[in-house]
Amino acid sequence: DVKVTQSSRYLVKRTGEKVFLECVQDMDHENMFWYRQDPGLGLRLIYFSYDVKMKEKGDIPEGYSVSREKKERFSLILESASTNQTSMYLCASSSKRGPNTGELFFGEGSRLTVL
Amino acid sequence: AQSVTQLDSQVPVFEEAPVELRCNYSSSVSVYLFWYVQYPNQGLQLLLKYLSGSTLVKGINGFEAEFNKSQTSFHLRKPSVHISDTAEYFCASPRAGGTSYGKLTFGQGTILTVHP
Repeated sequence: DVKVTQSSRYLVKRTGEKVFLECVQDMDHENMFWYRQDPGLGLRLIYFSYDVKMKEKGDIPEGYSVSREKKERFSLILESASTNQTSMYLCASSSKRGPNTGELFFGEGSRLTVL
Repeated sequence: AQSVTQLDSQVPVFEEAPVELRCNYSSSVSVYLFWYVQYPNQGLQLLLKYLSGSTLVKGINGFEAEFNKSQTSFHLRKPSVHISDTAEYFCASPRAGGTSYGKLTFGQGTILTVHP
C-alpha cells in the first residue's frame, strides 16, 4: 500500500522554538508539497519541491523553510514558531508521469500547537 | 487568477437521503477537477477525478460528479448517504501548467454531517 508518512501527529511547542516537520513517501514521486489547513480557508500551499534540492514558494511561505536532500523526504521548518502558526500541516506527494499524474497522495497530518 | 469555489461550508443531511455538494471553478483553470475527502483526524484521499472523456465520473463509496462546462461546475452527488460519509469534502483543480507538477488549488471545504 502506497504511503506518505508524517513523523508527528501532534506537537506542542513554545513561541520562538525551532520546529521540524518530517515527511517521507515510498512511491518514488518527484513532487512533494507542504500545505497548511485552517477551518474555512481550505488548504493553502506553503512550499513545493519538484526534485531533490529544488523548491518553490507557495502561497504562504513566510515564516517557513523546507529541505529536500533525498527524493523520498521533505521537511518543513519553522525557524521561530509563533502562535499564528498553530495549524494542521499536511504533506503530499505526486508523480509527474503515468495515469495518476496530478493526483496528490496525502499524509495523515501534523497538528501543531504553539503556546 | 484560478479559483475553485465550494458554495456550502456545511451540509447536514439525514441518513439514506440524497446529497449534493456544490463546486464551481473559474473558466481560467485547467479543466482537470478532483474531489477529495477528509475523514476526522485523517489526511485527504481522492474520491474521484475528471481529466477528460465522459462528463459523469464515478468514484469510491458510491459518489459521482458531473462536469458541466457551460455552468463551470463539478458538483458531487450521492443518492443515499451513510453515517460513515460524515467528513469534509474538498474540490480542487490544477493551477497553470497542467497536471504535471500537481499544484492544486483547493476550495474552502464542505463539511457533510449525516444524522441518524
